[in-house]
This record gives sequence, structure tokens and C-alpha cells, in this order.
Amino acid sequence: EPEVTQTPSHQVTQMGQEVILRCVPISNHLYFYWYRQILGQKVEFLVSFYNNEISEKSEIFDDQFSVERPDGSNFTLKIRSTKLEDSAMYFCASTRLVADTQYFGPGTRLTVL
Amino acid sequence: QQQVKQSPQSLIVQKGGIPIINCAYENTAFDYFPWYQQFPGKGPALLIAIRPDVSEKKEGRFTISFNKSAKQFSLHIMDSQPGDSATYFCAAKRDTDKLIFGTGTRLQVFP
Repeated sequence: EPEVTQTPSHQVTQMGQEVILRCVPISNHLYFYWYRQILGQKVEFLVSFYNNEISEKSEIFDDQFSVERPDGSNFTLKIRSTKLEDSAMYFCASTRLVADTQYFGPGTRLTVL
Repeated sequence: QQQVKQSPQSLIVQKGGIPIINCAYENTAFDYFPWYQQFPGKGPALLIAIRPDVSEKKEGRFTISFNKSAKQFSLHIMDSQPGDSATYFCAAKRDTDKLIFGTGTRLQVFP
């Protein structure tokens, strides 16, 4: 069964450093999402991406964040200058049609020291 | 209006019991209501989902009850097993929108 994959599984970085989180969505999916989950809290929407552009972004997704689909398979989330409060699990999700179920990857745990 | 309220925060049942998790929403434009199951260190996995044109949907031991007039929906787990111990999130979305998640319910099923 096809699945969303994410790398790395755990990323530790120093405050102020740039990080890139990588995702490989399910191959025939067209809509891509990033969500995050601070430890013990609910999953929060960050950004949606379709047709090589951002469809919607939340208040969390400020100028320090960017997304890119650099090739036909990868979908990346970049945090330009990490803050302590960026420490969270980051989940990538994808769906074939926008009204369909979103399938989540296993997540990347980001720890900012 | 964009919130989804979920209760209880945690739930402990004996094996074979029927835990019930409740969610409420305000935005009547929501038209898709999934439940996700999450094990520690893993991503949310879709369990079952419902659209507002039906009042109940059953898949295996999992049942969603949906009350459109009350703007509430709930998850029932029949004959619960220790392997069902996980965190359960309800969510809601409009047709072309992102998922709005509830705050999660940590379920523990004891043998």
C-alpha cells in the first residue's frame, strides 16, 4: 500500500539554524500539506500546496517558513531561522483530490536547542 | 467557528468495553468528518470518516454517529482491545479546505 514518507525522523538543531524537512507524498497525489504537533497538543495546519503554489497558509506559517516541490516526488518544508518554539512533530500529508482523505506521513521530530 | 471541541481528554476502559469519544463543531460549512488514530511517535492514521448526509457509519468495530442538527459526532469502539490504546483525534473540513483537528483523546484499554 502506498504511503507518505518523511526524512529525517528526528532532527536536532541549534536556535537560528536553517532546517529542511523532506517528504515524499503518495505518487498520484496532487495536494500536499504540512501540519505540526507540539508535544501533547493537537495537530495544527501549517500550509497547503497545489499546482506548485501555496493554496492556503496559517498564521503559524510566517516568513521564516517556506515550501517547495523541487522535483516530481519531493515536497519540502524549510524553516529559515529556527526558534525554540518550533520544536514539534512535523507531519506531511497528501491527497489525490482536495475533497478526499488526507494521508499522513510518520512525521519528523524537530528539536531546537 | 473554526474549532472542533473534543471530549474527554482521556479515557480508560476494560477490554471489551465500548469507549465513546465526542466532538462538536460550529461551522456548518464543514462537510467531511474523519477520525484519526495516532500511536506514540507515529503520524495520524485515518480510521473512519463520515459526511453529513448520513447519521451513522460502521467499519469493523468502529462506528461514527453523526447528529447534524446538534453539530456533534462521536466515535464508538466496540469490543475494545488493548491494541486500541492510542490517541484519537476527530477532525473536520470543508470541501476544499484544510483539516481542523480536535484536541485528542488518549484511550487506554486494560486487559
